[in-house]
Amino acid sequence: DAGVTQSPTHLIKTRGQHVTLRCSPISGHKSVSWYQQVLGQGPQFIFQYYEKEERGRGNFPDRFSARQFPNYSSELNVNALLLGDSALYLCASSWGPDDTEAFFGQGTRLTVV
Amino acid sequence: GIQVEQSPPDLILQEGANSTLRCNFSDSVNNLQWFHQNPWGQLINLFYIPSGTKQNGRLSATTVATERYSLLYISSSQTTDSGVYFCAVAPYSSASKIIFGSGTRLSIRP
Repeated sequence: DAGVTQSPTHLIKTRGQHVTLRCSPISGHKSVSWYQQVLGQGPQFIFQYYEKEERGRGNFPDRFSARQFPNYSSELNVNALLLGDSALYLCASSWGPDDTEAFFGQGTRLTVV
Repeated sequence: GIQVEQSPPDLILQEGANSTLRCNFSDSVNNLQWFHQNPWGQLINLFYIPSGTKQNGRLSATTVATERYSLLYISSSQTTDSGVYFCAVAPYSSASKIIFGSGTRLSIRP
């Protein structure tokens, strides 16, 4: 069975641009969460979606948005990119919204120049 | 919000040694997971352990939820065990949000 898949794996963008990151959860999983990991730190929670509805939001500016599609895949969008948005973006998939084990994709490494 | 503290921050060991990594959390949690992050950034699931003890080969973990801590034991370390180990919790107050500790960087020397 395929695990959590993310695309692209690497991305270079210029300050001020927009970026879209994609995530496909494990088959049968209905919850997708997004995390940002900057160098030397643990991942920080951005969003959780379950059954296409936002269930949780971390402390990130409105430039960050996400959505979940009927097939449970998800997109993370970041507008007006800043140098500080350079990070590894991780997607996690789980069966339910709470109390369930989360599985992570390999991440998208975003570099903003 | 809940605080998750991992210790030690760095650990350097010789191959074959045993190690204990600790995770303390400041509030009640719905679940707790241990991950190993490899050099390419992939987070690999080690244990899903809200309470009790589990073992998987050379690795074992214990969570004492009432005392708000978890321990990860690695025995007979191998160089492939090197990497960063993260503890992550989902607090009762916001179970949809997983909070990660800052990690323990483990280096195993041959």
